[in-house]
Amino acid sequence: AQSVTQPDIHITVSEGASLELRCNYSYGATPYLFWYVQSPGQGLQLLLKYFSGDTLVQGIKGFEAEFKRSQSSFNLRKPSVHWSDAAEYFCAVSNQAGTALIFGKGTTLSVSS
Amino acid sequence: NAGVMQNPRHLVRRRGQEARLRCSPVKGHSHVYWYRQLPEEGLKFMVYLQKENIIDESGMPKERFSAEFPKEGPSILRIQQVVRGDSAAYFCASSPDGVNQPQHFGDGTRLSIL
Repeated sequence: AQSVTQPDIHITVSEGASLELRCNYSYGATPYLFWYVQSPGQGLQLLLKYFSGDTLVQGIKGFEAEFKRSQSSFNLRKPSVHWSDAAEYFCAVSNQAGTALIFGKGTTLSVSS
Repeated sequence: NAGVMQNPRHLVRRRGQEARLRCSPVKGHSHVYWYRQLPEEGLKFMVYLQKENIIDESGMPKERFSAEFPKEGPSILRIQQVVRGDSAAYFCASSPDGVNQPQHFGDGTRLSIL
């Protein structure tokens, strides 16, 4: 069965520092991978997606993620974090773009000044 | 363009009552998905619908829960005889026809059961 693991429940990063949020997935075939961000009381906003092709994917707000098949990982990165990036981040997988998403439990990002 | 619209944003019900959650997808989107977010958990898929059809309801509880997406009007998630454990945030997402289309989420309905 498909599953997504986000090993870090909560991460604190200083403003201006780099960020990496980890995501590992379990899926037999080539997965469709997503990162979403959720601010308190809000819905989920799509940051980026990987379907095929270049394994380094660029998203909105300066985020990027790299698909590593050998490690079953799809880690999210940002070179310089802003205070407004504080939110909860969810990694998700599906077997194709139009079907149910399987979400990880999320990582809460706090940004310190 | 308006995004996915969910209403109400907050809904309070007493045990045994019915809860109806509405979702209007992005204009032109014909695929709707419902997810539930429980405290301390991630989002769990419930049901996937296209116009007038349920495509995948593998995540729906067997009893008390139903969903529809009629030809006209919003998608409705209906919970009958609510219990305390139904308290959660319910999110709707939509996507258009075509390959490789990601899902766009609404702001959710927070359901509280007294």
